[in-house]
Amino acid sequence: DQQVKQNSPSLSVQEGRISILNCDYTNSMFDYFLWYKKYPAEGPTFLISISSIKDKNEDGRFTVFLNKSAKHLSLHIVPSQPGDSAVYFCAASARTGNQFYFGTGTSLTVIP
Amino acid sequence: DVKVTQSSRYLVKRTGEKVFLECVQDMDHENMFWYRQDPGLGLRLIYFSYDVKMKEKGDIPEGYSVSREKKERFSLILESASTNQTSMYLCASTPGGHEKLFFGSGTQLSVL
Repeated sequence: DQQVKQNSPSLSVQEGRISILNCDYTNSMFDYFLWYKKYPAEGPTFLISISSIKDKNEDGRFTVFLNKSAKHLSLHIVPSQPGDSAVYFCAASARTGNQFYFGTGTSLTVIP
Repeated sequence: DVKVTQSSRYLVKRTGEKVFLECVQDMDHENMFWYRQDPGLGLRLIYFSYDVKMKEKGDIPEGYSVSREKKERFSLILESASTNQTSMYLCASTPGGHEKLFFGSGTQLSVL
């Protein structure tokens, strides 16, 4: 059963606007969350992470929000740029384990 | 910077062949992982290893085996390749604990 879900397979946004990518999880033991960006035929690259002791983490144009009670996290990209067009994966792990669990990905297209 | 190197970017094999995918990391990481990525299915864990000669099955280990004889090298073996193993294979490593995964560039395997 999928423990990390990204329910939107794709998203299109105008350049300069905000992109919001969503992710839900089911396992309450997860306490570390990450976002990865992936271009075709390349490996995923790390974007930003958040620990469960926080509800927000920012890095430049990227902000991740965590709502533990709703078991939901989101990635905000402001302003969106055409180079942000890629597939975005969220991932989660628990301190008690070694595994990372990934969502199915959201394909973001930023329209110039 | 951490480097995770996968031996081949593209590979074409025939059904029934034994296939070796090699992965080397240069940062003395404890944990190494093999994922496959398929459209709409995200990243699915095949096997992981948290120490030399140690391995754990992931979500989809059937048809695969792994080898970790040295800390820096983690090999994925397809015992008898089948067409449903055509996929992008991604190797990753992490020092353990709540540290991010570092991915290789991926191997796009086609089984004909």
